[in-house]
Amino acid sequence: NAGVTQTPKFRVLKTGQSMTLLCAQDMNHEYMYWYRQDPGMGLRLIHYSVGEGTTAKGEVPDGYNVSRLKKQNFLLGLESAAPSQTSVYFCASSYLQGDEKLFFGSGTQLSVL
Amino acid sequence: EDQVTQSPEALRLQEGESSSLNCSYTVSGLRGLFWYRQDPGKGPEFLFTLYSAGEEKEKERLKATLTKKESFLHITAPKPEDSATYLCAATPGSARQLTFGSGTQLTVLP
Repeated sequence: NAGVTQTPKFRVLKTGQSMTLLCAQDMNHEYMYWYRQDPGMGLRLIHYSVGEGTTAKGEVPDGYNVSRLKKQNFLLGLESAAPSQTSVYFCASSYLQGDEKLFFGSGTQLSVL
Repeated sequence: EDQVTQSPEALRLQEGESSSLNCSYTVSGLRGLFWYRQDPGKGPEFLFTLYSAGEEKEKERLKATLTKKESFLHITAPKPEDSATYLCAATPGSARQLTFGSGTQLTVLP
């Protein structure tokens, strides 16, 4: 059982470049989330989805876009990367929103030069 | 503004030396308080959910407790394999998204 899988695990971008992070879950969860983790700041919610075809903004959505075309996949896009987006990105999924435990992927380390 | 604050930021213990980690929260109408464990280079892994003051949950050497203002993660006779960062998170009643603390990095020395 793979759980939540993120690709890639590491990426280095130059300022202004674009990229997409892929998250896949095999638990048939309705809810999926993208977080970023920065030293001393904890996990902060970027965007989330409550089901296929739906997305919503979290705490820090600026500079990011997301899509949920299939229930099992949640994509995070950076259209024009900035050094401030250097971070570790985590995808998570849950059966229920807010009341249930989250299942996290192993993270993507992104550096923007 | 909803806030979750964890202390200390880092804690070093000798194997067998029991201690507690603190998570204080200021959220309106707490729906749930969560504890996660995070190992280096990995995503957080769920440990406990607490829903009401006075509630306690245990798992091996860990016990989580909840009051109206804070939660404690008690570690009894820790082992080196308990070394990790422990994250606390809360779900306020007005929103359904978790607010995370910045974590406590625990190191247990053999």
